[in-house]
Amino acid sequence: EIVMTQSPATLSVSPGERVTLSCRASQSVSSNLAWYQQKPGQAPRLLIYGASTRATGITARISGSGSGTEFTLTISSLQSEDFAVYYCQHYKDWPRVTFGGGTKVEIK
Amino acid sequence: EVQLAESGGGLVQPGGSLRLSCAASGFTFSTYWMAWVRQAPGKGLEWVANIKEDGGERFYLDSVRGRFTISRDNAKNSLSLQMNSLRVEDTAIYYCAREVPGATAYDSWGQGALVTVSS
Repeated sequence: EIVMTQSPATLSVSPGERVTLSCRASQSVSSNLAWYQQKPGQAPRLLIYGASTRATGITARISGSGSGTEFTLTISSLQSEDFAVYYCQHYKDWPRVTFGGGTKVEIK
Repeated sequence: EVQLAESGGGLVQPGGSLRLSCAASGFTFSTYWMAWVRQAPGKGLEWVANIKEDGGERFYLDSVRGRFTISRDNAKNSLSLQMNSLRVEDTAIYYCAREVPGATAYDSWGQGALVTVSS
């Protein structure tokens, strides 16, 4: 099973700052990588798939990059609505997928 | 507007059964793979099962295979998860989710149904 590791577990950021979240796969997943945002009491929301393709309606402030085992999610200027938990997910072993443990982005 | 709405959650004793349903609307249900994803309280996300557009292929997380059954009724735009022999560790919010065509990422989610397995 491919293990997804996200770092850091928690990130304290001030509004307006640029933030970069990391996700590492235990073996190559090529570009079969998605990112989600989840706010308290809500379902996850798809942000990125194919490592870098923004989902419908996702702001251009959010971007994804990487391939193989190293991936990043970047939010160029953090807004109040961006404070949430972010999960990465690979789908290399279709149809079975695994998620990372998540990174919580909190207000500094 | 795409909408997914789960129902059927609740409290059940270990060894018991529960059936979750997901009503889909706003899209052509029969042309999408669908999935169930769960989240234990305060924990991360875990894929549970998914099913092909026509129901002809189904896949399960190892720990639920043989206990859970995913099914769909395309005429009723409905997805189901029959859960038998429930364990305490199955306690979670269960989400139904729609898969992005060509990529096993989930672009639409329901609000979730809480399943609590406890004596």
